[in-house]
This record gives sequence, C-alpha cells and structure tokens, in this order.
Amino acid sequence: DAKTTQPTSMDCAEGRAANLPCNHSTISGNEYVYWYRQIHSQGPQYIIHGLKNNETNEMASLIITEDRKSSTLILPHATLRDTAVYYCIVRPTSNDYKLSFGAGTTVTVRA
Amino acid sequence: KAGVTQTPRYLIKTRGQQVTLSCSPISGHRSVSWYQQTPGQGLQFLFEYFSETQRNKGNFPGRFSGRQFSNSRSEMNVSTLELGDSALYLCASSLFGSSNNEQFFGPGTRLTVL
Repeated sequence: DAKTTQPTSMDCAEGRAANLPCNHSTISGNEYVYWYRQIHSQGPQYIIHGLKNNETNEMASLIITEDRKSSTLILPHATLRDTAVYYCIVRPTSNDYKLSFGAGTTVTVRA
Repeated sequence: KAGVTQTPRYLIKTRGQQVTLSCSPISGHRSVSWYQQTPGQGLQFLFEYFSETQRNKGNFPGRFSGRQFSNSRSEMNVSTLELGDSALYLCASSLFGSSNNEQFFGPGTRLTVL
C-alpha cells in the first residue's frame, strides 16, 4: 500500500476554512484516497474519498492533484466540533485490503 | 438508523484473564471488522466477518478470536490477557465488506489490563 505523509498538527480559527494536506507520492492507479477523522474518545468517522476527480459532500471537499501524488482535505467553515485527528489513507479496492491509520494530523479549531 | 454499538464501553481486567467484547452493526450491514488502536501502533486490523464467516485476518496471535452470529452481531474474545493488550478495540460495519464500502465505526471498548 502507498504510504501517506501528513503534518503532525495544525491550528485553525473557528469559521475559517481548514486545509489539510496529504502526500501520497507512491500511489498506484487503482488506489483511492480516503479521509477519516477521530474525535477524542470516539471511533473513526468516514469523511470523504476520491480517485482522481475532486469530490465534495456535506462535510468536506477533497482536492486531488492531477498527478495524484498529493491531496488536500478542505473543511469549509471549521467549528469547534471539528477538532480531531484527521487521517489520510490510500487504499485499493481489493478484497484483501486491511484498513490501517498512521499518526494523522491533529487539528485544533480555536474560537 | 442506529449506529454501530459496542459493549461494554470500558473494561478493566488483570493479566491471564479472558475477555469478550460485543458489537452490533448498523441494521442491514453484513460485514463486521475489528481493530485494535494503541498510541504506539495506531490502528491495526484484527479480522473481518461476513455472513458468519471470517473473511480476512490480521497479524495477531491466536489468543484473539471472533465470531459472527446470524443477525450479524459479532463478538471478539481475547484469552490469557497480557499488559500489551490494553487498547481501544473498535468495531466497524459496512454493507458488503471493508474493501468496497466506507466503514462505520462504533465508539470502541477501552480495555485496560492490569
């Protein structure tokens, strides 16, 4: 599986957009980019995923570069409840896939 | 729809004991996966069950086992507990399997082994 690199932590002001970068330079053609987040003392929560086109849902937007070697998760209007650890992973669609997370980015939204 | 539920939420055991954790998936979901999360190792896959059959297995010793019932509820068991088994155990359910659908996680069971 392709490895991902994320910043350890970042701060964001409440109401502003939070842009979370992720590098995945060894991504393969059949691997998707997935984002999850984990709020303290809760289970991980799926946010969004994409292959090569930009994606948007009610939670966030995902921008994937044309060469697919990096992506950015955008939380358009961060709230205090968005404070969490955000995980970027790349995963194939094979049946043998086993989800795993690295250290992720600890995002702190400040009032 | 109710989310994934896990019981108990917190558990304290001593070395050598055994423990059983329970997970109820989202109604209609047939796949249940179990994960162990620790600060040092991050999230690690234990096993996945689909229609009462273990479909995938991670690299954990045989002390870790699981099963799935006909109603898709799942249990995992850890025997002869060790201090290193202290972790957050997460259960995730999905419609058809962990490979093709986003998984929905429960709140986890926090196991402390003394």
